[in-house]
Amino acid sequence: GAVVSQHPSWVICKSGTSVKIECRSLDFQATTMFWYRQFPKQSLMLMATSNEGSKATYEQGVEKDKFLINHASLTLSTLTVTSAHPEDSSFYICSASGQGPADTQYFGPGTRLTVL
Amino acid sequence: AQSVTQPDIHITVSEGASLELRCNYSYGATPYLFWYVQSPGQGLQLLLKYFSGDTLVQGIKGFEAEFKRSQSSFNLRKPSVHWSDAAEYFCAVAKPNTGFQKLVFGTGTRLLVSP
Repeated sequence: GAVVSQHPSWVICKSGTSVKIECRSLDFQATTMFWYRQFPKQSLMLMATSNEGSKATYEQGVEKDKFLINHASLTLSTLTVTSAHPEDSSFYICSASGQGPADTQYFGPGTRLTVL
Repeated sequence: AQSVTQPDIHITVSEGASLELRCNYSYGATPYLFWYVQSPGQGLQLLLKYFSGDTLVQGIKGFEAEFKRSQSSFNLRKPSVHWSDAAEYFCAVAKPNTGFQKLVFGTGTRLLVSP
């Protein structure tokens, strides 16, 4: 099956700094990538949808200036958490799909962000 | 409100016993339905999906799920559980009003397998 990687797998940073998380589709071209946030013992919440070469579409309640998403190529999307604070600590997961509505989303292993 | 409900937070099953994980959705139109499994250190893996047609769907690893429109349910089943099935299971729907592109996840059910 299709493989999606994320880097780093975990990161610890100081409050006020910015952190970039990469999401790569390793063996297919991802027309659309999604970013989710998962709190401990809770479900995945969709943060934003990004299509290659276009601006990301953010879900209601997600601050687009805080969570910057770039999808510059068909194999790479990045999520930058700007001026991170402890409440941004979470598990961030990306997924990628190849084409069309309801195409299977392939998920990355996630990135654990801890903000001190 | 539109939602996906997994009523069981934890389930413990003996190895070799059968398993059923419940999932209910509340949407006006029938969404696309999915079951994913999440193991530590690994990304969510798709077990099976339902778009239309036969309401009994076969998936990977011996799992199956049955769509019941009258009950707005999509329960996951496996006839004989293996210790390696211990993981977190998520039911998800792709909403019709998003072109079936965006996924909404249930809260998950953690499966524990006892010897």
